[in-house]
Amino acid sequence: ETGVTQTPRHLVMGMTNKKSLKCEQHLGHNAMYWYKQSAKKPLELMFVYSLEERVENNSVPSRFSPECPNSSHLFLHLHTLQPEDSALYLCASSQGPVDTEAFFGQGTRLTVV
Amino acid sequence: EDQVTQSPEALRLQEGESSSLNCSYTVSGLRGLFWYRQDPGKGPEFLFTLYSAGEEKEKERLKATLTKKESFLHITAPKPEDSATYLCAVQEYGSSNTGKLIFGQGTTLQVKP
Repeated sequence: ETGVTQTPRHLVMGMTNKKSLKCEQHLGHNAMYWYKQSAKKPLELMFVYSLEERVENNSVPSRFSPECPNSSHLFLHLHTLQPEDSALYLCASSQGPVDTEAFFGQGTRLTVV
Repeated sequence: EDQVTQSPEALRLQEGESSSLNCSYTVSGLRGLFWYRQDPGKGPEFLFTLYSAGEEKEKERLKATLTKKESFLHITAPKPEDSATYLCAVQEYGSSNTGKLIFGQGTTLQVKP
């Protein structure tokens, strides 16, 4: 069983759809993150949760809505997305935000049509 | 503006041909520098964390070093299985309460048999 698990691995959705990405970590970590990876661009931080509290929202459009019901689970709710939102969405977790490495899931490849 | 720049963008090596990847950074205060490996269609895999100038870390054929302005990832006698994209990321003191990582664009390494 991998440390950070993301589902689904692939998602195709229309611009009017509503979908959710799920992330689960089995490492006992206290911080969880959503990153976006677009082609030819560096990974961009979207959201940070520490002890289930959102501590950073990196100027992300409101069509992306995160949820962290407990320290092991993180969701990214999607609605009325645009084609330019197509990317690899990566979840990560770390023991705490200070001086600890982040461990990433395999990502969800999202295509908006 | 905080920046992380990796070079070269792409590197092709023959098996056994040693080389180095560069990561230059400009941040107000470096908390830590992280190296990750990413295979196609997968999430980044943690390799090293470096905290202070002069620090070095090794793992198999990889060795990471750090100065006040840049980090190098040295690959000694690479094998085809070392082919991947190598990502560098920095965490600065101001972001330490959120764990935010600033990523470079990566270096895609191809090692030919």
